[in-house]
Amino acid sequence: NAGVTQTPKFQVLKTGQSMTLQCAQDMNHNSMYWYRQDPGMGLRLIYYSASEGTTDKGEVPNGYNVSRLNKREFSLRLESAAPSQTSVYFCASRFNTGPSGNTIYFGEGSWLTVV
Amino acid sequence: GQQLNQSPQSMFIQEGEDVSMNCTSSSIFNTWLWYKQDPGEGPVLLIALYKAGELTSNGRLTAQFGTTRKDSFLNISASIPSDVGIYFCAGPSGTYKYIFGTGTRLKVLA
Repeated sequence: NAGVTQTPKFQVLKTGQSMTLQCAQDMNHNSMYWYRQDPGMGLRLIYYSASEGTTDKGEVPNGYNVSRLNKREFSLRLESAAPSQTSVYFCASRFNTGPSGNTIYFGEGSWLTVV
Repeated sequence: GQQLNQSPQSMFIQEGEDVSMNCTSSSIFNTWLWYKQDPGEGPVLLIALYKAGELTSNGRLTAQFGTTRKDSFLNISASIPSDVGIYFCAGPSGTYKYIFGTGTRLKVLA
């Protein structure tokens, strides 16, 4: 029962370092998402991918890049980490159509601290 | 862009009490979703609403799609300690993009 798997779960970075958050889903979903969660601000969409080969900006894309490597995997890259990117990051996925299309499945989160 | 504002931001309640929270949007939604996030985990879907005025229950939870289509409400009856967590409203902004609200943090005192 893997669902949506994110790695790493915890990471500490120094300002200016780069890193990639990995995400994989085994539910054959079409769309995949990256959100960040900050206190009092809820979940904000960084990037999403409606299908393999496509990616689009969400509400807060600055400072991030993404890659939809194949249908299963969607990675988030921080090229030059800043303290403002300290957050909890969630990957999510869903079917694009059908009765379960509104059910978004989330991973367990990745806690990132930039010092 | 569209924004979803939830209130209250947080609440402490006694076990057994009923809870009400709401979500308002700056524009019309055609679907409202309510999610719950347990501590240390990702959010999980509780209820989905698809038309104005719709009232849907899931156990002790009841959600309503507001008639203006710019708001939605979630009620929890007879709260228990495991209701603790953050409750999010969400909805589609376009075909594939989903946005989430600011969240209501619920703490239940036994």
